[in-house]
Amino acid sequence: GAGVSQTPSNKVTEKGKYVELRCDPISGHTALYWYRQSLGQGPEFLIYFQGTGAADDSGLPNDRFFAVRPEGSVSTLKIQRTERGDSAVYLCASSPGTGSEAFFGQGTRLTVV
Amino acid sequence: QQQVKQSPQSLIVQKGGISIINCAYENTAFDYFPWYQQFPGKGPALLIAIRPDVSEKKEGRFTISFNKSAKQFSLHIMDSQPGDSATYFCAARASGSARQLTFGSGTQLTVLP
Repeated sequence: GAGVSQTPSNKVTEKGKYVELRCDPISGHTALYWYRQSLGQGPEFLIYFQGTGAADDSGLPNDRFFAVRPEGSVSTLKIQRTERGDSAVYLCASSPGTGSEAFFGQGTRLTVV
Repeated sequence: QQQVKQSPQSLIVQKGGISIINCAYENTAFDYFPWYQQFPGKGPALLIAIRPDVSEKKEGRFTISFNKSAKQFSLHIMDSQPGDSATYFCAARASGSARQLTFGSGTQLTVLP
């Protein structure tokens, strides 16, 4: 595609529910990143994929958060037992390789009520 | 621990004026310093970036000044325009295995017509 695509653009869920957020990176980009941006703050790193494997998941806040990228393209961020504190914009970025410019999607705004 | 500190939090400039945003970092392993521009409802977009082997980089109306000894870098927007009104984030990335970006907290720039 022309850019990084994230779906849905908005998601409202009830506390305790499970959610999945999808990221379609730019075609051919091997590196994929997930960030979380709280209101009025800069994005915070969650996890980085190089190909299919999670090369660095040190930013995941706890074991309720998990991400996959089974075929080295589309990635899904999964959040179990959502809490109100999980409310934020979840950003996905991709790049042609490590050390290259990262291109961001427009994000998924998650609201936990 | 906030590894990249950004100031000011907000900035109001008259059209045609110079906008200056400052960042300071702590991690001496950082070797890539980009600036991102973010409009409401959009993901961050790379504006300009610098590596520590140069002290200044200019692209059009945007200039990064870099002071390695002080561990500081700044963004200068010359001839600021109302269309520049957005949130600006500085960021930094370390070499080696940690390829994620560490962002500052953002500066909301308003350019008055």
